[in-house]
Amino acid sequence: NAGVTQTPKFQVLKTGQSMTLQCAQDMNHEYMSWYRQDPGMGLRLIHYSVGAGITDQGEVPNGYNVSRSTTEDFPLRLLSAAPSQTSVYFCASRLGRRLSSLTTDTQYFGPGTRLTVL
Amino acid sequence: LAKTTQPISMDSYEGQEVNITCSHNNIATNDYITWYQQFPSQGPRFIIQGYKTKVTNEVASLFIPADRKSSTLSLPRVSLSDTAVYYCLVGPVGGYQKVTFGTGTKLQVIP
Repeated sequence: NAGVTQTPKFQVLKTGQSMTLQCAQDMNHEYMSWYRQDPGMGLRLIHYSVGAGITDQGEVPNGYNVSRSTTEDFPLRLLSAAPSQTSVYFCASRLGRRLSSLTTDTQYFGPGTRLTVL
Repeated sequence: LAKTTQPISMDSYEGQEVNITCSHNNIATNDYITWYQQFPSQGPRFIIQGYKTKVTNEVASLFIPADRKSSTLSLPRVSLSDTAVYYCLVGPVGGYQKVTFGTGTKLQVIP
């Protein structure tokens, strides 16, 4: 299994440009999420999804859109990039559904996308 | 979601045992305690998870008192490679609740 993959690894945008950060997982996880991490800070939840066709807002959703058309993919869209969106973006997934046999619930993270908006 | 409080930073010398305590006074009956480790420029990775008493794996131990209002992550004989940020999270196992992180504890291991 590849786990959680993210592309691109690095991206530089100009203010006002749009782009999509890609995230995919091959573990058949229902729950996927996007976080941003600013220098010296913790992770802040942007959006999350509990299954195909279902998304919800996290702590800092403004300026970002998401959709979930398949279980595997959860892209994050920046419609009009701003310098305040300069950050490292992490995608994560976890099983999501409850199982009687489930004894450990782990989030798996991708390697991150480092985004700079000029 | 239960709120957690942990120290912002800690320093330790190589070879020492490090204990990081997390406070979670309003933990719910079905909540578990999970710790993640994050190295610079990487995503967090799972270290250990527990519900009560003590859990041990090859990386760390997790001590949870009977009232479960706090927990302690114990790292035995730390090395320079253990320098990282450690996050304590509280929530149910399984299910669809959102997962949020606090600011974590930055552990600096000193030679």
